[in-house]
Amino acid sequence: DTAVSQTPKYLVTQMGNDKSIKCEQNLGHDTMYWYKQDSKKFLKIMFSYNNKELIINETVPNRFSPKSPDKAHLNLHINSLELGDSAVYFCASSLVVNSPLHFGNGTRLTVT
Amino acid sequence: DQQVKQNSPSLSVQEGRISILNCDYTNSMFDYFLWYKKYPAEGPTFLISISSIKDKNEDGRFTVFLNKSAKHLSLHIVPSQPGDSAVYFCAASARGADGLTFGKGTHLIIQP
Repeated sequence: DTAVSQTPKYLVTQMGNDKSIKCEQNLGHDTMYWYKQDSKKFLKIMFSYNNKELIINETVPNRFSPKSPDKAHLNLHINSLELGDSAVYFCASSLVVNSPLHFGNGTRLTVT
Repeated sequence: DQQVKQNSPSLSVQEGRISILNCDYTNSMFDYFLWYKKYPAEGPTFLISISSIKDKNEDGRFTVFLNKSAKHLSLHIVPSQPGDSAVYFCAASARGADGLTFGKGTHLIIQP
């Protein structure tokens, strides 16, 4: 069974569209994260949720909004997509804050 | 501002020999360090970690060394195996802060 699963794996869309990426973890972890890996291969944190509360939000445009319906899910909604949003987005979870992260397999977003 | 640096984009090692991957950090508040391994089209997988109160942690073929005065850590893999070919990310966290700061990764290639 996949511990952290995210869908879709690939997402190709046009500028200006709105899209969502879903993430689910079955590890019973308390904290979930979204990371972005850009063209320079850096993995940068975007958001984390702990018990349904946003606990960090790095300098991410407000076009990006995380939604957590429950502890096992953290979805990422992106409005008005821009070319620069093209990247691989990874969902992750951890038992507690700062314990090792378990990552999903990523969603490659391409904005044309 | 790269707080975690992996200065070698790639490293080629013969099968059976020792692989040494290096990582430097600048933030003196970091107190927990991790190594992740990533195969293409998959998410990073946690490999090994070390707390700042230790200078060495060993797990099978993998050993992480921490030199706090030099703000340097390294991952030793011995003996190297073909399945070790992957991108290795160094990551760090600070007490009280959320999320991990990642390096850019080193692509390890194990040659037969």
